[in-house]
Amino acid sequence: LAKTTQPISMDSYEGQEVNITCSHNNIATNDYITWYQQFPSQGPRFIIQGYKTKVTNEVASLFIPADRKSSTLSLPRVSLSDTAVYYCLVATDTGRRALTFGSGTRLQVQP
Amino acid sequence: NAGVTQTPKFRILKIGQSMTLQCTQDMNHNYMYWYRQDPGMGLKLIYYSVGAGITDKGEVPNGYNVSRSTTEDFPLRLELAAPSQTSVYFCATRDTVNQPQHFGDGTRLSIL
Repeated sequence: LAKTTQPISMDSYEGQEVNITCSHNNIATNDYITWYQQFPSQGPRFIIQGYKTKVTNEVASLFIPADRKSSTLSLPRVSLSDTAVYYCLVATDTGRRALTFGSGTRLQVQP
Repeated sequence: NAGVTQTPKFRILKIGQSMTLQCTQDMNHNYMYWYRQDPGMGLKLIYYSVGAGITDKGEVPNGYNVSRSTTEDFPLRLELAAPSQTSVYFCATRDTVNQPQHFGDGTRLSIL
């Protein structure tokens, strides 16, 4: 199983850029990297997914170095509503391997 | 379009009782998953299914059973409830293996 390691918590202020790094040393050749956001009492919500280099959408960017052993989620100009837990998940291409969520990173955004 | 629907939202069970957590999806996704999330922790995979009639164990399957007779439904069965099964249970689906998962709102289960 591709195990992931993330910081337990991070603090930031409104308007700042936040970068959360996930380590996944055992990532397999065909695995994708997916990030989710979870608010209290809700299910995780998809943020962004990538395989290599850089991916950007309307809410975040994902940076993946050439060796793919880590990835960094970048949230530009965070607001109070970005306070949540962020999970990095390494996904298989076959669907038959078990998916492993790490413990996540608890982001607290202050005014 | 309801997405992933989980019922019930809350339930309290006594030790030794049994119950079935329901998960229904209307997106025609082949892949379905059951996770549990203990307080302050990440999600752990219980069981998953890659299509109707096919199920497989995840990381923490003991004490649970599943079935997948249709594409839409993936119920999770607890046969003999134990306090260690107190948790929030999430069902998720995805279209293909490299697509992100869609999660339901969860079932909060307490066993006393």
